[in-house]
Amino acid sequence: EVQLVESGGALVQPGGSLRLSCAASGFIFRTYEMHWVRQAPGKGLEWLSYISSQGTTIYYTVSVKGRFTISRDNAQNSLYLQMNSLRAEDTAIYYCVRSGFGELPFDSWGQGTLVSVSS
Amino acid sequence: DIQMTQSPSTLSASIGDRVTITCRASQSIHSWLAWYQQKPGKAPNLLIYKASNLGGGVPSRFSGSGSGTEFSLTINSLQPEDFATYYCQQYNDFPYTFGQGTKMEIK
Repeated sequence: EVQLVESGGALVQPGGSLRLSCAASGFIFRTYEMHWVRQAPGKGLEWLSYISSQGTTIYYTVSVKGRFTISRDNAQNSLYLQMNSLRAEDTAIYYCVRSGFGELPFDSWGQGTLVSVSS
Repeated sequence: DIQMTQSPSTLSASIGDRVTITCRASQSIHSWLAWYQQKPGKAPNLLIYKASNLGGGVPSRFSGSGSGTEFSLTINSLQPEDFATYYCQQYNDFPYTFGQGTKMEIK
Protein backbone atom coordinates (compact mmCIF):
# COMPACT_ATOMS: atom_id res chain seq x y z
CA GLU A 1 0.00 0.00 0.00
CA VAL A 2 1.28 3.42 -0.99
CA GLN A 3 1.85 5.67 2.04
CA LEU A 4 3.00 9.26 2.20
CA VAL A 5 3.38 10.63 5.71
CA GLU A 6 4.18 14.31 6.18
CA SER A 7 5.69 15.76 9.33
CA GLY A 8 7.29 18.95 10.55
CA GLY A 9 4.32 21.27 10.55
CA ALA A 10 4.22 23.75 13.42
CA LEU A 11 3.38 27.24 14.58
CA VAL A 12 6.15 29.61 13.50
CA GLN A 13 6.61 33.36 13.63
CA PRO A 14 6.68 35.49 10.50
CA GLY A 15 10.16 35.47 9.01
CA GLY A 16 10.90 32.08 10.51
CA SER A 17 11.88 28.80 8.91
CA LEU A 18 10.54 25.29 8.90
CA ARG A 19 11.47 22.02 7.23
CA LEU A 20 8.75 19.62 6.20
CA SER A 21 9.43 15.94 5.61
CA CYS A 22 7.48 13.27 3.78
CA ALA A 23 8.21 9.60 4.41
CA ALA A 24 7.26 7.37 1.49
CA SER A 25 6.58 3.65 1.61
CA GLY A 26 4.83 0.94 -0.37
CA PHE A 27 6.40 1.86 -3.70
CA ILE A 28 9.80 2.37 -5.33
CA PHE A 29 10.27 5.99 -4.30
CA ARG A 30 13.35 6.66 -6.45
CA THR A 31 11.36 6.04 -9.65
CA TYR A 32 8.61 8.60 -8.98
CA GLU A 33 8.39 12.33 -9.47
CA MET A 34 7.07 14.19 -6.44
CA HIS A 35 5.32 17.46 -5.59
CA TRP A 36 4.27 19.66 -2.71
CA VAL A 37 0.75 21.15 -2.76
CA ARG A 38 -0.81 23.35 -0.09
CA GLN A 39 -4.27 24.42 0.97
CA ALA A 40 -4.92 27.50 3.08
CA PRO A 41 -7.75 27.18 5.63
CA GLY A 42 -11.07 27.10 3.82
CA LYS A 43 -9.41 27.76 0.47
CA GLY A 44 -8.52 25.84 -2.67
CA LEU A 45 -5.47 23.83 -3.70
CA GLU A 46 -2.19 25.45 -4.71
CA TRP A 47 0.63 23.55 -6.39
CA LEU A 48 4.00 24.63 -4.97
CA SER A 49 6.88 22.60 -6.27
CA TYR A 50 8.03 19.62 -8.33
CA ILE A 51 11.12 17.44 -8.21
CA SER A 52 12.10 14.77 -10.71
CA SER A 53 12.83 11.22 -9.65
CA GLN A 54 16.56 11.81 -9.38
CA GLY A 55 16.27 15.36 -8.15
CA THR A 56 17.84 16.88 -11.23
CA THR A 57 14.83 18.94 -12.35
CA ILE A 58 12.95 21.26 -9.99
CA TYR A 59 10.15 23.77 -10.47
CA TYR A 60 8.43 26.23 -8.12
CA THR A 61 5.40 28.42 -8.23
CA VAL A 62 6.23 32.13 -8.23
CA SER A 63 4.91 32.81 -4.71
CA VAL A 64 7.47 30.51 -3.06
CA LYS A 65 10.40 30.69 -5.47
CA GLY A 66 13.51 31.90 -3.66
CA ARG A 67 12.02 31.13 -0.23
CA PHE A 68 11.20 27.41 -0.44
CA THR A 69 13.51 24.57 -1.48
CA ILE A 70 12.37 21.11 -2.45
CA SER A 71 14.73 18.16 -2.12
CA ARG A 72 14.68 14.40 -1.78
CA ASP A 73 16.78 11.57 -0.39
CA ASN A 74 16.07 8.44 -2.39
CA ALA A 75 18.15 6.30 -0.04
CA GLN A 76 15.86 7.37 2.81
CA ASN A 77 12.64 7.33 0.74
CA SER A 78 12.02 10.90 1.81
CA LEU A 79 10.89 14.18 0.31
CA TYR A 80 11.56 17.55 1.95
CA LEU A 81 10.44 21.15 1.76
CA GLN A 82 12.67 23.78 3.37
CA MET A 83 10.62 26.91 3.98
CA ASN A 84 12.35 30.20 4.80
CA SER A 85 11.12 33.77 5.28
CA LEU A 86 7.67 32.49 6.17
CA ARG A 87 4.69 34.83 5.86
CA ALA A 88 1.19 34.77 7.29
CA GLU A 89 -0.11 33.82 3.85
CA ASP A 90 1.95 30.61 3.97
CA THR A 91 -0.41 29.28 6.64
CA ALA A 92 -1.86 26.11 5.16
CA ILE A 93 -1.98 22.35 5.16
CA TYR A 94 0.97 21.09 3.14
CA TYR A 95 0.55 17.87 1.16
CA CYS A 96 3.23 15.59 -0.22
CA VAL A 97 1.99 14.23 -3.56
CA ARG A 98 3.17 11.53 -5.93
CA SER A 99 3.00 11.86 -9.72
CA GLY A 100 1.75 8.79 -11.47
CA PHE A 101 3.55 7.33 -14.46
CA GLY A 102 2.70 8.39 -18.00
CA GLU A 103 -0.68 10.08 -18.30
CA LEU A 104 -1.45 10.04 -14.59
CA PRO A 105 -1.22 13.29 -12.61
CA PHE A 106 -1.30 13.26 -8.80
CA ASP A 107 -2.22 9.70 -7.94
CA SER A 108 -1.35 9.55 -4.24
CA TRP A 109 -1.52 12.20 -1.51
CA GLY A 110 -0.31 12.28 2.06
CA GLN A 111 -2.65 13.29 4.88
CA GLY A 112 -1.04 16.73 5.13
CA THR A 113 0.78 18.68 7.84
CA LEU A 114 -0.36 22.05 9.15
CA VAL A 115 1.90 25.07 9.05
CA SER A 116 0.72 28.17 10.92
CA VAL A 117 2.59 31.42 10.56
CA SER A 118 1.64 33.90 13.24
CA SER A 119 3.16 36.14 15.88
CA ASP B 1 0.62 30.77 -16.02
CA ILE B 2 -2.45 28.88 -17.18
CA GLN B 3 -5.59 30.01 -15.35
CA MET B 4 -8.28 27.43 -14.60
CA THR B 5 -11.84 28.69 -14.07
CA GLN B 6 -14.47 26.35 -12.66
CA SER B 7 -18.21 26.87 -12.58
CA PRO B 8 -20.32 26.91 -10.62
CA SER B 9 -18.58 27.61 -7.31
CA THR B 10 -21.43 25.97 -5.43
CA LEU B 11 -23.93 23.44 -6.71
CA SER B 12 -27.05 22.35 -4.83
CA ALA B 13 -28.41 19.01 -5.94
CA SER B 14 -30.44 16.05 -4.74
CA ILE B 15 -29.70 12.36 -4.43
CA GLY B 16 -30.18 10.76 -7.85
CA ASP B 17 -29.58 13.97 -9.83
CA ARG B 18 -27.26 14.23 -12.79
CA VAL B 19 -24.87 17.17 -12.40
CA THR B 20 -22.16 18.76 -14.51
CA ILE B 21 -19.23 20.95 -13.46
CA THR B 22 -17.28 22.87 -16.06
CA CYS B 23 -13.67 23.95 -16.16
CA ARG B 24 -12.12 26.39 -18.61
CA ALA B 25 -8.41 26.85 -19.25
CA SER B 26 -6.95 30.20 -20.28
CA GLN B 27 -5.06 28.48 -23.11
CA SER B 28 -5.05 25.05 -24.67
CA ILE B 29 -3.99 22.26 -22.38
CA HIS B 30 -4.85 19.56 -24.93
CA SER B 31 -6.24 16.78 -22.73
CA TRP B 32 -3.96 17.23 -19.72
CA LEU B 33 -6.79 17.82 -17.29
CA ALA B 34 -7.55 16.02 -14.06
CA TRP B 35 -10.47 16.11 -11.65
CA TYR B 36 -10.17 15.53 -7.90
CA GLN B 37 -12.72 15.05 -5.16
CA GLN B 38 -12.03 16.34 -1.66
CA LYS B 39 -14.06 15.63 1.46
CA PRO B 40 -13.74 17.75 4.62
CA GLY B 41 -10.55 17.04 6.55
CA LYS B 42 -9.22 14.69 3.89
CA ALA B 43 -6.68 14.88 1.09
CA PRO B 44 -7.98 15.11 -2.47
CA ASN B 45 -8.61 11.93 -4.43
CA LEU B 46 -8.04 11.50 -8.16
CA LEU B 47 -11.26 10.93 -10.10
CA ILE B 48 -10.44 11.57 -13.76
CA TYR B 49 -7.14 11.94 -15.62
CA LYS B 50 -6.32 13.04 -19.14
CA ALA B 51 -9.76 14.62 -19.37
CA SER B 52 -11.83 11.46 -19.70
CA ASN B 53 -10.07 8.52 -18.08
CA LEU B 54 -11.50 7.12 -14.86
CA GLY B 55 -9.07 6.83 -11.96
CA GLY B 56 -8.56 3.51 -10.21
CA GLY B 57 -11.50 2.46 -8.08
CA VAL B 58 -13.65 5.42 -9.13
CA PRO B 59 -17.34 4.55 -9.72
CA SER B 60 -18.56 4.59 -13.31
CA ARG B 61 -21.17 7.27 -12.53
CA PHE B 62 -18.28 9.76 -12.82
CA SER B 63 -17.23 10.80 -16.30
CA GLY B 64 -15.13 13.54 -17.86
CA SER B 65 -15.00 15.11 -21.27
CA GLY B 66 -13.44 17.93 -23.24
CA SER B 67 -10.17 19.00 -24.79
CA GLY B 68 -8.32 22.20 -25.55
CA THR B 69 -9.79 24.78 -23.20
CA GLU B 70 -13.26 23.46 -22.26
CA PHE B 71 -13.81 20.51 -19.94
CA SER B 72 -16.57 19.02 -17.86
CA LEU B 73 -17.11 16.53 -15.06
CA THR B 74 -20.46 14.77 -14.94
CA ILE B 75 -21.84 12.72 -12.10
CA ASN B 76 -24.82 10.52 -12.95
CA SER B 77 -27.24 9.61 -10.20
CA LEU B 78 -25.69 11.47 -7.25
CA GLN B 79 -25.02 9.37 -4.19
CA PRO B 80 -24.72 10.65 -0.58
CA GLU B 81 -20.96 10.12 -0.62
CA ASP B 82 -20.60 12.42 -3.65
CA PHE B 83 -21.31 15.58 -1.68
CA ALA B 84 -17.84 17.06 -1.54
CA THR B 85 -15.68 19.68 -3.23
CA TYR B 86 -14.36 19.08 -6.74
CA TYR B 87 -11.26 20.59 -8.33
CA CYS B 88 -9.96 20.56 -11.85
CA GLN B 89 -6.22 20.74 -12.49
CA GLN B 90 -4.14 21.27 -15.58
CA TYR B 91 -0.88 19.35 -15.87
CA ASN B 92 0.04 20.43 -19.37
CA ASP B 93 2.70 22.83 -18.18
CA PHE B 94 4.37 24.11 -15.02
CA PRO B 95 3.21 25.73 -12.83
CA TYR B 96 0.43 23.19 -12.54
CA THR B 97 -2.75 25.04 -11.61
CA PHE B 98 -6.08 24.16 -10.04
CA GLY B 99 -9.53 25.56 -10.48
CA GLN B 100 -11.00 27.33 -7.47
CA GLY B 101 -13.24 24.38 -6.63
CA THR B 102 -16.93 23.50 -6.80
CA LYS B 103 -18.69 22.63 -3.57
CA MET B 104 -21.51 20.16 -4.02
CA GLU B 105 -24.27 20.61 -1.46
CA ILE B 106 -27.40 18.67 -0.69
CA LYS B 107 -30.53 20.51 -1.78
